[in-house]
Amino acid sequence: NAGVTQTPKFQVLKTGQSMTLQCAQDMNHNSMYWYRQDPGMGLRLIYYSASEGTTDKGEVPNGYNVSRLNKREFSLRLESAAPSQTSVYFCASSALSGGAQETQYFGPGTRLLVL
Amino acid sequence: GNSVTQMEGPVTLSEEAFLTINCTYTATGYPSLFWYVQYPGEGLQLLLKATKADDKGSNKGFEATYRKETTSFHLEKGSVQVSDSAVYFCVTGSSYKLIFGSGTRLLVRP
Repeated sequence: NAGVTQTPKFQVLKTGQSMTLQCAQDMNHNSMYWYRQDPGMGLRLIYYSASEGTTDKGEVPNGYNVSRLNKREFSLRLESAAPSQTSVYFCASSALSGGAQETQYFGPGTRLLVL
Repeated sequence: GNSVTQMEGPVTLSEEAFLTINCTYTATGYPSLFWYVQYPGEGLQLLLKATKADDKGSNKGFEATYRKETTSFHLEKGSVQVSDSAVYFCVTGSSYKLIFGSGTRLLVRP
């Protein structure tokens, strides 16, 4: 049982390049999330998906797009990377429709450096 | 909106010392409160949670009590180990999302 997996683990981009971060969960969870973690700021929600076929903006969505490909997979796309997007990105999932009461399960993270 | 404030780190302790990491929250309604832990090079994982006032969450020797009167959820452990070295996040919820504190780094020395 792998839980939440993310690829790649590390990526270096040049300003203006695009890339997609992949996330998959094998726990049959309904909700999935993308966060970014910056030093001294905790985690901030970029986008979330409460169920297959739905996505909603979180706290810091600008510069990102997401796709809930199916129940298992939730990808995050940077169309034109900027140095301000240098961060560690975490994907997470929770069992039901999301919300303040649910435990979230996190992947190991993707470290992104934009030059 | 809801928020959490936790003590800044790093916190450096010797093995077997007592640990307290302070956390206070502001919230409308009665959200759950969580402590998540991030070990070096890993993602976050749930350490413990409390869903209502006066609940005590506990796991791996760590405890935290949901105090409505002081709006606090302090994390405690009676005797820390080197393996407890990690970053600890106090977390609350607001409608669809979790709200994270900035994290407190704990370093336990042998």
